[in-house]
Amino acid sequence: TQLLEQSPQFLSIQEGENLTVYCNSSSVFSSLQWYRQEPGEGPVLLVTVVTGGEVKKLKRLTFQFGDARKDSSLHITAAQPGDTGLYLCAGPGGGYQKVTFGTGTKLQVIP
Amino acid sequence: GAVVSQHPSRVICKSGTSVKIECRSLDFQATTMFWYRQFPKKSLMLMATSNEGSKATYEQGVEKDKFLINHASLTLSTLTVTSAHPEDSSFYICSAQTLAGGKEQYFGPGTRLTVT
Repeated sequence: TQLLEQSPQFLSIQEGENLTVYCNSSSVFSSLQWYRQEPGEGPVLLVTVVTGGEVKKLKRLTFQFGDARKDSSLHITAAQPGDTGLYLCAGPGGGYQKVTFGTGTKLQVIP
Repeated sequence: GAVVSQHPSRVICKSGTSVKIECRSLDFQATTMFWYRQFPKKSLMLMATSNEGSKATYEQGVEKDKFLINHASLTLSTLTVTSAHPEDSSFYICSAQTLAGGKEQYFGPGTRLTVT
């Protein structure tokens, strides 16, 4: 079974601080996705990383895929209250057509 | 692009009744749709994989007779919670995979089911 462990599980920070969320596995993934989910909403796809070592930027968010394609990180610079939400990494696996979701990181940015 | 809708967004029903939730891909065709259940502050738990024109594949521990899934077209899948009980109260989310491209899933906004 492919597992994706995210850390930290919960994070509460002040507006303007930087943070990093990690997504780790013992398995190799052909790609990884990052989603953000707000309360009462479905997850929204932020980015897909495919190549080992790949770095993608989305405004203040920087996503990196590990060289061995077993891990990924999400770094947020100068966090804002609008960044508050549940961040989920996900990758193909767990069976044909399926996607395995990480354990989730709940981020709260305090104004 | 890649918009997925769910209806209803919220539903309250009485114990013993059945509730149908619709999941539609609005601007793309999806041969595969997924149904998830999410508990508060937790990640998504896959319930079943729904393929157009064939029977759904249920995850271990999910009762197929209780959670009926129908994927009648390339843009519509439905989940019916039969004989609902309070413990079925949850947030149900569907997602759809595009026919082309990678394994990204596009999610609906979710349905909050409360069984009284």
